[in-house]
Amino acid sequence: QQQVKQSPQSLIVQKGGISIINCAYENTAFDYFPWYQQFPGKGPALLIAIRPDVSEKKEGRFTISFNKSAKQFSLHIMDSQPGDSATYFCAASIQGGSEKLVFGKGTKLTVNP
Amino acid sequence: DAGVIQSPRHEVTEMGQEVTLRCKPISGHDYLFWYRQTMMRGLELLIYFNNNVPIDDSGMPEDRFSAKMPNASFSTLKIQPSEPRDSAVYFCASIEHGGANTEAFFGQGTRLTVV
Repeated sequence: QQQVKQSPQSLIVQKGGISIINCAYENTAFDYFPWYQQFPGKGPALLIAIRPDVSEKKEGRFTISFNKSAKQFSLHIMDSQPGDSATYFCAASIQGGSEKLVFGKGTKLTVNP
Repeated sequence: DAGVIQSPRHEVTEMGQEVTLRCKPISGHDYLFWYRQTMMRGLELLIYFNNNVPIDDSGMPEDRFSAKMPNASFSTLKIQPSEPRDSAVYFCASIEHGGANTEAFFGQGTRLTVV
């Protein structure tokens, strides 16, 4: 059972464009929604995270939008740069519980110069 | 802290051989996770420990897989016997419980190739 569904599987964007990656979850007990960024040959690293008590969180060019009623959240990368080319994973967990992160299948982002 | 340390970085082995992957979590972190990454299935959680105790091993694919955490600073994932379909990148991650933002710190992974 895939608890977090991520789309698209791959994304190609021109430099300066907006990259948008979407995720949907099933378990309403989830209360922590991070995004991880992974470069080739490296482990995933936390990029930005949100809790369901807010609808949006912004850090620099990266923004998470959260829709609790729809059980969806998305990552927006503004002014995408070639250095943003990586695989992005959304995830969900229950804070204060098992801390177990359930990941989406990932989106490979390519930003062309 | 040097972060989560995994060894070896690369492992090539023949089908049927025993493989042992190693992980040293960040000091003070009380959760340790083993993930497997493949193109087809993404990041799959295999097993995780809390304070060295296995909590959930429902992701372990078969009895050929086993994991141990004898102390807070060391964990192993063993595959015996290995099969070509076990080829993947295996990641270890650790978390400090109770942080304001629960961040999982991943190691660099072990790329396993079974031929």
